[in-house]
Amino acid sequence: EIVLTQSPGTLSLSPGERATLSCRASQTVSSNYLAWYQQKPGQAPRLLVFGASTRATGIPDRFSGSGSGTDFTLTISRLEPEDFAVYYCQQYIDSPRTFGQGTKVEIK
Amino acid sequence: QLVQSGAEVKMPGASVTVSCQASGYRIFTYGISWLRQAPGQGPEWMGWISADNGQTHYAEKLQGRVTMTTDTSTNTAYMELRSLTSDDTAVYYCARKMGVYDYWGQGTLVTVS
Repeated sequence: EIVLTQSPGTLSLSPGERATLSCRASQTVSSNYLAWYQQKPGQAPRLLVFGASTRATGIPDRFSGSGSGTDFTLTISRLEPEDFAVYYCQQYIDSPRTFGQGTKVEIK
Repeated sequence: QLVQSGAEVKMPGASVTVSCQASGYRIFTYGISWLRQAPGQGPEWMGWISADNGQTHYAEKLQGRVTMTTDTSTNTAYMELRSLTSDDTAVYYCARKMGVYDYWGQGTLVTVS
């Protein structure tokens, strides 16, 4: 099973600032089969990025994904008020599909 | 859109069935995955049912307790979980596809108590 470790656990930032979220895999995620999701309280997760760097339909370009192998990053270039949420990475190259434990982006 | 059935409260040892009705596309076009999320935790993958042949693949920890099916006549997927314990208390989600989950149901809270 591929274990995904996200860091930091919590990120305290102000609107307009840049957010950098990390996801490290316990083994290589080949073909960059890694996705990022955003989740707000009481809502289902929302797909942001797949294939490590491809934005899903309708996702603003302030969200960008990068990385390969075992190290991946989600960057939010300038935080908008609606971006404060929990973010999860997920690998889909292997079964079982696994998620990281999440990074909470909170308002400073 | 994926619309799930309502919240359930079950006694330990009981079974629960959650439904997930698709609209806007035919359910046999893509697979359906089921995930759950315990309070304060990240999502946990439970398994999937393939679109074309109904083949299923379940998480090892749930083998023998979970069954996933689809009814193409009503465009609905079902997930049955048996022998419930308090550890099964969670929000259960259906999601479209078997790898990247581009559409999710609204979630169904299952409380075992």
